[in-house]
Amino acid sequence: DVKVTQSSRYLVKRTGEKVFLECVQDMDHENMFWYRQDPGLGLRLIYFSYDVKMKEKGDIPEGYSVSREKKERFSLILESASTNQTSMYLCASSLRTGANTIYFGEGSWLTVV
Amino acid sequence: QKEVEQNSGPLSVPEGAIASLNCTYSDRGSQSFFWYRQYSGKSPELIMFIYSNGDKEDGRFTAQLNKASQYVSLLIRDSQPSDSATYLCAVNRDSSYKLIFGSGTRLLVRP
Repeated sequence: DVKVTQSSRYLVKRTGEKVFLECVQDMDHENMFWYRQDPGLGLRLIYFSYDVKMKEKGDIPEGYSVSREKKERFSLILESASTNQTSMYLCASSLRTGANTIYFGEGSWLTVV
Repeated sequence: QKEVEQNSGPLSVPEGAIASLNCTYSDRGSQSFFWYRQYSGKSPELIMFIYSNGDKEDGRFTAQLNKASQYVSLLIRDSQPSDSATYLCAVNRDSSYKLIFGSGTRLLVRP
């Protein structure tokens, strides 16, 4: 079974803090993704990475950055957290070839106060 | 126009009935189509995917794809209360790695 692990499930941070969300996958997938999910807006892609040290902006990259130093690990960074970044963050991974089926982690609930 | 559209629901069906969930997409270049189920407070889990026009069956689930009309649907036979969840449709364009998700349809199966 594919395992995508998000280390922080529930976080409360203050406005202006730097926030790190970590994600690890154990299936040697080339592609990794960060989505956020908000009521009524569905899943929106923040960033994705198709290889180590490679990244591409998704639909809503503003206020976020990412790091992929190792194939299995993809980190999302909020440089200066704001209240409008309160959301559920989902990490996902997929193989580069084939079905491109995306497998999700359990999600990280972030509240910025 | 959203790229992937779904009726938000809720769609309410009695236990044992067939639930029909629909999804339309705008990009004719879309190649692969996915259905995910998401329980409240949980992350999405893959139900099935389909590439070719027609039907694809997996247990109680059938995905139907019509590229000419740009819609994909999911049928759930013999619906159970445990099927109550939000169902997300996702579309993969051309050679892109990205999936574009609809906002989801909430399904309620009444005992």
